[in-house]
Amino acid sequence: DADVTQTPRNRITKTGKRIMLECSQTKGHDRMYWYRQDPGLGLRLIYYSFDVKDINKGEISDGYSVSRQAQAKFSLSLESAIPNQTALYFCATSDSKISGSLTGELFFGEGSRLTVL
Amino acid sequence: GQQLNQSPQSMFIQEGEDVSMNCTSSSIFNTWLWYKQDPGEGPVLLIALYKAGELTSNGRLTAQFGITRKDSFLNISASIPSDVGIYFCAGTSRDDKIIFGKGTRLHILP
Repeated sequence: DADVTQTPRNRITKTGKRIMLECSQTKGHDRMYWYRQDPGLGLRLIYYSFDVKDINKGEISDGYSVSRQAQAKFSLSLESAIPNQTALYFCATSDSKISGSLTGELFFGEGSRLTVL
Repeated sequence: GQQLNQSPQSMFIQEGEDVSMNCTSSSIFNTWLWYKQDPGEGPVLLIALYKAGELTSNGRLTAQFGITRKDSFLNISASIPSDVGIYFCAGTSRDDKIIFGKGTRLHILP
């Protein structure tokens, strides 16, 4: 079983619909992240959370919201999806206890491909 | 904002050739990391660098943390077919954000 699990893996939706992407992890890590991948643009950080009550905006948070329901769960919501949010979305985790600081050693899920028509 | 400039964007090489790619930035980074993404999967960490000037190897892979803390390179020696994929550099900045480069797509010709 994967340590970082994303659901759904694929989703096609229409403009204006509300979409939630879910991420759960069994690694026991305290930090979780949502990234978006577009061809030629690399991975861009949407939101990140260092603990259950901590939420931080990343580079491209507009149009997205997140919820850290528990240490193991971090969900990403698109309140009203638009076509330019069509992308591959990745959840990732890291463990601050290894180094005590943000080292960039991320563990990624397998991705959720979202298509907005 | 802080950006990582990764080059080249793509590479076409013959099996057995050595590969070199790099990342540069106008900002200082505290750590540099190199990830590989295989088709249909999430990126996986290859090498992590924590000190300026550090040179680290992992099998056929070698990476260095630039002395100015503004650049890093990754070399792959004697490439094999399973090296195909997208390679990303990433850095952690002073404000604790993890920034990724745009990736280098490696193609290996038969």
